[in-house]
Amino acid sequence: DSGVTQTPKHLITATGQRVTLRCSPRSGDLSVYWYQQSLDQGLQFLIQYYNGEERAKGNILERFSAQQFPDLHSELNLSSLELGDSALYFCASSVQTGSKGNEQFFGPGTRLTVL
Amino acid sequence: DQQVKQNSPSLSVQEGRISILNCDYTNSMFDYFLWYKKYPAEGPTFLISISSIKDKNEDGRFTVFLNKSAKHLSLHIVPSQPGDSAVYFCAASGETGANNLFFGTGTRLTVIP
Repeated sequence: DSGVTQTPKHLITATGQRVTLRCSPRSGDLSVYWYQQSLDQGLQFLIQYYNGEERAKGNILERFSAQQFPDLHSELNLSSLELGDSALYFCASSVQTGSKGNEQFFGPGTRLTVL
Repeated sequence: DQQVKQNSPSLSVQEGRISILNCDYTNSMFDYFLWYKKYPAEGPTFLISISSIKDKNEDGRFTVFLNKSAKHLSLHIVPSQPGDSAVYFCAASGETGANNLFFGTGTRLTVIP
């Protein structure tokens, strides 16, 4: 158990809908990262937050947004969903940012299926 | 554009023998490399890492080798055990300084008892 929790585990929805994925980082970790893993692909970095502020952006679509709250949990919002958004979404956390050697701890992921 | 590549989708090894998983990268700005292990229905678990100032890092049965000139790293597992059967992801960071990781597509290792 990495200490990172993600809810829900599974989500099935229809095209055009909006969903929210939730992540609680390990106790004491200030950085939260979101990754997307599509079928047979590696994990693709979406976005990072550090202590409530956006720190880095990857290949995140404009239809996707995220935020980190004062209690450090984070939410990833996916809107106008398309079939191609079906994927595993992982959240990871680490103690700080910008310092090499910071191991990222991953949650179990949320499997999103768009029908 | 895949900046971290794992060209072998799968590898089978006999128990007790050495497993060698390979990874190539294209971005010379990467300066930190990690290996993660992933079981089904779980998130990736950190295994071992190496800074670009080193060429080898060892932790128990796991050793990572880095060849910067070739932009290549490898993970050696000796001896391999059936519990090592999982998908192994190579990852790299350093381009942005923000510590986000660039992952390869993974290699599925099967250790045959």
